[in-house]
Amino acid sequence: DGGITQSPKYLFRKEGQNVTLSCEQNLNHDAMYWYRQDPGQGLRLIYYSQIVNDFQKGDIAEGYSVSREKKESFPLTVTSAQKNPTAFYLCASSTDAYYGYTFGSGTRLTVV
Amino acid sequence: GESVGLHLPTLSVQEGDNSIINCAYSNSASDYFIWYKQESGKGPQFIIDIRSNMDKRQGQRVTVLLNKTVKHLSLQIAATQPGDSAVYFCAAGYSTLTFGKGTMLLVSP
Repeated sequence: DGGITQSPKYLFRKEGQNVTLSCEQNLNHDAMYWYRQDPGQGLRLIYYSQIVNDFQKGDIAEGYSVSREKKESFPLTVTSAQKNPTAFYLCASSTDAYYGYTFGSGTRLTVV
Repeated sequence: GESVGLHLPTLSVQEGDNSIINCAYSNSASDYFIWYKQESGKGPQFIIDIRSNMDKRQGQRVTVLLNKTVKHLSLQIAATQPGDSAVYFCAAGYSTLTFGKGTMLLVSP
């Protein structure tokens, strides 16, 4: 079954730590995206990548970093520079925007 | 850029009613529109999409209407069921998608 897998489902971060959220897809999609979702808010774009070894900042990239070394993988690092990282993080992939996005099941990150 | 808004944060309906969820977008260059359903703690699921060269598209129990003149999009769900209870998002764009905040649909038996 093709799909997009995010791990872990729940993640706890101490103040000052960097953490990395995993996103893997086996849909052979070229484009991958990271969104942040806060309660009562829409999805806000953090980073996106339309091709391997290339990525662009979204609306709220500060305090986050990504890499795209393989077509299947698009990990997101939440750095200590992100002052309010507690949120639900969603990864998505698509062949292009015209075919919609397939979303993962999300990672809930909590700062402790 | 694009901004997307929904008119109602919450919509309550009775089982069997038809539901209509509305969405407005700002950028007339947007040419692709999608509706997603998100259940609590899960990722959004694709419901239906429409391109700007269409006014209406139907799926199973769902219809999307697009009015480009007033930049308005709506999702109609026929014979709403308790399993339809979720948050519904619209998204608009032409290269990347911009998402609205979502409407929570509550279906009472």
